[in-house]
Amino acid sequence: IAGITQAPTSQILAAGRRMTLRCTQDMRHNAMYWYRQDLGLGLRLIHYSNTAGTTGKGEVPDGYSVSRANTDDFPLTLASAVPSQTSVYFCASSDGGQADTQYFGPGTRLTVL
Amino acid sequence: GQNIDQPTEMTATEGAIVQINCTYQTSGFNGLFWYQQHAGEAPTFLSYNVLDGLEEKGRFSSFLSRSKGYSYLLLKELQMKDSASYLCAVEDSNYQLIWGAGTKLIIKP
Repeated sequence: IAGITQAPTSQILAAGRRMTLRCTQDMRHNAMYWYRQDLGLGLRLIHYSNTAGTTGKGEVPDGYSVSRANTDDFPLTLASAVPSQTSVYFCASSDGGQADTQYFGPGTRLTVL
Repeated sequence: GQNIDQPTEMTATEGAIVQINCTYQTSGFNGLFWYQQHAGEAPTFLSYNVLDGLEEKGRFSSFLSRSKGYSYLLLKELQMKDSASYLCAVEDSNYQLIWGAGTKLIIKP
């Protein structure tokens, strides 16, 4: 069982380019999340999905979009990347609801030049 | 606003005990999590507290005081592999996690 996987592991991207970060989980979790982690700051929620077919905005959604066509996949798209989107991106999943442990993917290190 | 405060960095000696504090001010409270994150890796779950008191799990214990908006993670018999960042997160009234910036723990021989 892989748990939760992310691709790519790392990417260098020119500003203005479009990029999709992939996330797949095989735990049949209802909820999925995208966070960014920057030095000196806590994990910040970008978008989330409580169940397949629904998505919601987190704390820092601008410049990002997501879709949840099925239970397993939750891609994050940067429509036109900017240098301030340089960060480590973590995808996570959980059963959903109170007290549910979130399980994290290995992360994608993205650099926008 | 919502705020989670933790010390940025702490140093401790192998075999010793260390306490990492976390204070919070959030819109609602549905529980507090501690996660461990080794450098370059993903966060992994350590503990969850929703009621006041101490939860013990092997060498790690976590304490919560809801009236004081305060928690701590206690690590005993420190090992070199405990060198990591420890993240405090509060589940708010919308069941979203609000994360502290993390405490980097350095273990010295």
